[in-house]
Amino acid sequence: SQKIEQNSEALNIQEGKTATLTCNYTNYSPAYLQWYRQDPGRGPVFLLLIRENEKEKRKERLKVTFDTTLKQSLFHITASQPADSATYLCAPDRGSTLGRLYFGRGTQLTVWP
Amino acid sequence: GAGVSQSPSNKVTEKGKDVELRCDPISGHTALYWYRQSLGQGLEFLIYFQGNSAPDKSGLPSDRFSAERTGGSVSTLTIQRTQQEDSAVYLCASSLTTGTQYEQYFGPGTRLTVT
Repeated sequence: SQKIEQNSEALNIQEGKTATLTCNYTNYSPAYLQWYRQDPGRGPVFLLLIRENEKEKRKERLKVTFDTTLKQSLFHITASQPADSATYLCAPDRGSTLGRLYFGRGTQLTVWP
Repeated sequence: GAGVSQSPSNKVTEKGKDVELRCDPISGHTALYWYRQSLGQGLEFLIYFQGNSAPDKSGLPSDRFSAERTGGSVSTLTIQRTQQEDSAVYLCASSLTTGTQYEQYFGPGTRLTVT
């Protein structure tokens, strides 16, 4: 069956460092992969989308990579700030089903001053 | 412009009662999704509406769950004979149209507690 795995533990880093979050998927090949941010008590907010034919996508301090051979996406936040503390969700599509995203459980990132 | 809104924000109900959760998507968005998020868990897909097409109900956990979307806009998720395991945050999202290349805009969710 299709499976999504994100960093199994919460990630704690110091302000100014680069945070790297991992999303691994198995048993299928998504055409698109999206990343979302979720703050406590709120719905997820879209951050970036990357296509299967794109190796890398950037937006301000954010960078996403997509390695279809390794079946992995990496999400980087450079020059991290305490305001970046949140849970980050990866969401590859289901491959064969239009419209459906398959969300991972998320990685809780804490950036400390 | 206005985002996705959901009501109520919190709902406490007794086991066995029926509940209705409402979602107002962004105007002009033809795709609407319902998800469920239990404590410490990821988003569990429930149902997906796209325009006038038949909804994708494959994520509904039991026949106690149903949803409708009237006039291609507002959607209502109904849970009949609620059980304690139904306690979760129910999230609604909309997107411009079908296709996973389109970002989803989420509402704030309805926190359902079944006592």
